[in-house]
Amino acid sequence: AQTVTQSQPEMSVQEAETVTLSCTYDTSESDYYLFWYKQPPSRQMILVIRQEAYKQQNATENRFSVNFQKAAKSFSLKISDSQLGDAAMYFCAYTRSQGNLIFGKGTKLSVKP
Amino acid sequence: DVKVTQSSRYLVKRTGEKVFLECVQDMDHENMFWYRQDPGLGLRLIYFSYDVKMKEKGDIPEGYSVSREKKERFSLILESASTNQTSMYLCASTWLWDRDHQETQYFGPGTRLLVL
Repeated sequence: AQTVTQSQPEMSVQEAETVTLSCTYDTSESDYYLFWYKQPPSRQMILVIRQEAYKQQNATENRFSVNFQKAAKSFSLKISDSQLGDAAMYFCAYTRSQGNLIFGKGTKLSVKP
Repeated sequence: DVKVTQSSRYLVKRTGEKVFLECVQDMDHENMFWYRQDPGLGLRLIYFSYDVKMKEKGDIPEGYSVSREKKERFSLILESASTNQTSMYLCASTWLWDRDHQETQYFGPGTRLLVL
């Protein structure tokens, strides 16, 4: 069975600094997709970044980038120049054959001014 | 912009009541999903639908049913609400999925349900 593990329940970063959130997953499939979603206090789940497993190049979206290590089944999220608005729950997710997502339990990120 | 709406942000119901949670998307998405979110457990899939009148069980379907009579609307039904169904419920939708083209799921704002 596919699983997604986020080993850091909580993280804290100073404003303008860089933070990395960890995610590992377990799957026997070779083609799949990985996502990072952000859920701020408003509760709206927002896509941060996605990565196709067949692409070797790490995805980047402005201040957000991933370190995708397929052999190690690792998918970490790096947030550069952290801003107060980055404070949220961050969920790592994996797709499986039906198209629905399997989520990790989340990492709560706090940003200190 | 894709918009997924849910009928209520907050809902308080009594044990044994029949509860309807409604979700509507405006982007002609084929696939719709209902998740439940609990602290420390992340999001867990309850049911999903890949077409009108079609439904598939997710990981935790017990105590729930769904209805999809129109493409844009996906309803989650709690036939007889119980206190252990107190939770946050999130609806999501995405385009038709195939193995070569996985689309991003778009989420509604969530419904926080309290069952007393």
